[in-house]
Amino acid sequence: DGGITQSPKYLFRKEGQNVTLSCEQNLNHDAMYWYRQDPGQGLRLIYYSQIVNDFQKGDIAEGYSVSREKKESFPLTVTSAQKNPTAFYLCASSIGPTYGYTFGSGTRLTVV
Amino acid sequence: KQEVTQIPAALSVPEGENLVLNCSFTDSAIYNLQWFRQDPGKGLTSLLLIQSSQREQTSGRLNASLDKSSGRSTLYIAASQPGDSATYLCAVSSGNTPLVFGKGTRLSVIA
Repeated sequence: DGGITQSPKYLFRKEGQNVTLSCEQNLNHDAMYWYRQDPGQGLRLIYYSQIVNDFQKGDIAEGYSVSREKKESFPLTVTSAQKNPTAFYLCASSIGPTYGYTFGSGTRLTVV
Repeated sequence: KQEVTQIPAALSVPEGENLVLNCSFTDSAIYNLQWFRQDPGKGLTSLLLIQSSQREQTSGRLNASLDKSSGRSTLYIAASQPGDSATYLCAVSSGNTPLVFGKGTRLSVIA
């Protein structure tokens, strides 16, 4: 079955550490997205990529980095510059930005 | 900049009731509007996608309408069930930019 796989489901980060969240899709979608979800704030866009080797910043890109070396993969790195990284992170993909989105099951990141 | 608002933020209804969730957006130049469901601690499940040229979409007990000119969409749930309890999110696509989300409506259906 086609879908999006996010791993790990839970992730703990120590102060000053970089961590990488994985997102893999086998839907043959060109576009991929990372959103952050905090209680009461809805989903906010971190980064998105409409094609391999190209990506754009979203509304809250500071402290995050991404790469898009393969169509299937869009990993998100939460760097030590992100001062408040505890949140639920959601990855999505679509054929293009004006088509329906498919979401992964999310990664919950906690700073310890 | 597109802004999406969902009212009410939370709703509690008895089982069997028909209900309406509301979504409004500030820029009417949209390509499509999508309704999602999210269970606690889970990802988003797509419910209905309405293209800008469409007025409504139906799936089972769900019906979503779109009035682009007034910047509004409604999600109608018929004969609600406890299994419908979840957060419902509305999101719009404008131009070549990613989906912009509302904050959601948290629905509780009481048996």
